[in-house]
Amino acid sequence: DVKVTQSSRYLVKRTGEKVFLECVQDMDHENMFWYRQDPGLGLRLIYFSYDVKMKEKGDIPEGYSVSREKKERFSLILESASTNQTSMYLCASSLGQGNRNEQFFGPGTRLTVL
Amino acid sequence: AQRVTQPEKLLSVFKGAPVELKCNYSYSGSPELFWYVQYSRQRLQLLLRHISRESIKGFTADLNKGETSFHLKKPFAQEEDSAMYYCALSDKLIFGTGTRLQVFP
Repeated sequence: DVKVTQSSRYLVKRTGEKVFLECVQDMDHENMFWYRQDPGLGLRLIYFSYDVKMKEKGDIPEGYSVSREKKERFSLILESASTNQTSMYLCASSLGQGNRNEQFFGPGTRLTVL
Repeated sequence: AQRVTQPEKLLSVFKGAPVELKCNYSYSGSPELFWYVQYSRQRLQLLLRHISRESIKGFTADLNKGETSFHLKKPFAQEEDSAMYYCALSDKLIFGTGTRLQVFP
């Protein structure tokens, strides 16, 4: 059973703080993804990674960076949090090459930036 | 540009009524399309994908390349179908804006 875990369910930070969101998957998946989920906007891809130390920008990478030092872990970093980054953040992983396989999602982290 | 459109934000039906959640896509290739579902307080999960051509929880979806659509259908809605549904174009990692289905008793 695929397990994708995220470090926090709820997080409250102040404007300007550096924020780390951690995601771990235990099924040896090659691909990992970070999305943000906002009402009326659906899921929007921030960054993704097909391999260790590899990263690709998604549709809305501005204000974010990522790190993938180990295959099972994909971190999302907000260098200087802003109020417009208040959102639900979803991590996902999938098996194999490319994007055509099922994605398995974590429970999400609801981030509030004050 | 590649795009997934779900025109309805909210769809409300009574139990036993037929349901159709609309999804249209824009993609110049052979798309890989999925429907994901998120029940209340649960994580987003795959419902079905077009290449498997199977029925999951009574839902089916047929890829219509001529109309560039991948509508999700169920002949008789159940209360437990109430959830948020997202259509996704997997090749381009694009999700639609989602449709909330409410099934009333």
